[in-house]
Amino acid sequence: DTAVSQTPKYLVTQMGNDKSIKCEQNLGHDTMYWYKQDSKKFLKIMFSYNNKELIINETVPNRFSPKSPDKAHLNLHINSLELGDSAVYFCASSLRGQGDEQYFGPGTRLTVT
Amino acid sequence: AQSVTQLDSQVPVFEEAPVELRCNYSSSVSVYLFWYVQYPNQGLQLLLKYLSGSTLVKGINGFEAEFNKSQTSFHLRKPSVHISDTAEYFCANMNTGFQKLVFGTGTRLLVSP
Repeated sequence: DTAVSQTPKYLVTQMGNDKSIKCEQNLGHDTMYWYKQDSKKFLKIMFSYNNKELIINETVPNRFSPKSPDKAHLNLHINSLELGDSAVYFCASSLRGQGDEQYFGPGTRLTVT
Repeated sequence: AQSVTQLDSQVPVFEEAPVELRCNYSSSVSVYLFWYVQYPNQGLQLLLKYLSGSTLVKGINGFEAEFNKSQTSFHLRKPSVHISDTAEYFCANMNTGFQKLVFGTGTRLLVSP
């Protein structure tokens, strides 16, 4: 039974398009996250939501907009895609936040051409 | 500001040999420390974490790490590695009081027969 799932697994699109990545967790966790992993494997947090409320918003272009319709879902919408947006995007969740293990999804590989 | 340094980008080792992956952290406040593993084309999985208490932390798959406050280190060790341990290993820290997980640049462990 998948704990944190993401769709799609692969996303290939052209510059200028708008796309969304969906994330769902069935662990009953309160906190969800989006991370970006670049081509050099560097992982950086983008956003964090706790009980549908935005907690962390790193210096991410405002073309990226997270949306949490409920505690179990955190979607990521990206407008006007650029070449530099190509990366693997990971969703994660944790029970609360501080010190709790974060459970990661399998990732979405986004390729912008 | 918090940061994590993983000194080795790649560590080659023979099967059944011991291994140590190095991690140093920088933070002006108390931290929580984590080691995550990423197998090829997968999400991250928690190996172990240090929140407080005993400085020697045991994790899954035979890994352990030692928190050393004076040296600001949290090195990961395994006495005997298997081929299946080949993966990317990430050290991360989180300031107490915040939910933000900051990752190091990763160390690729390559285990050969």
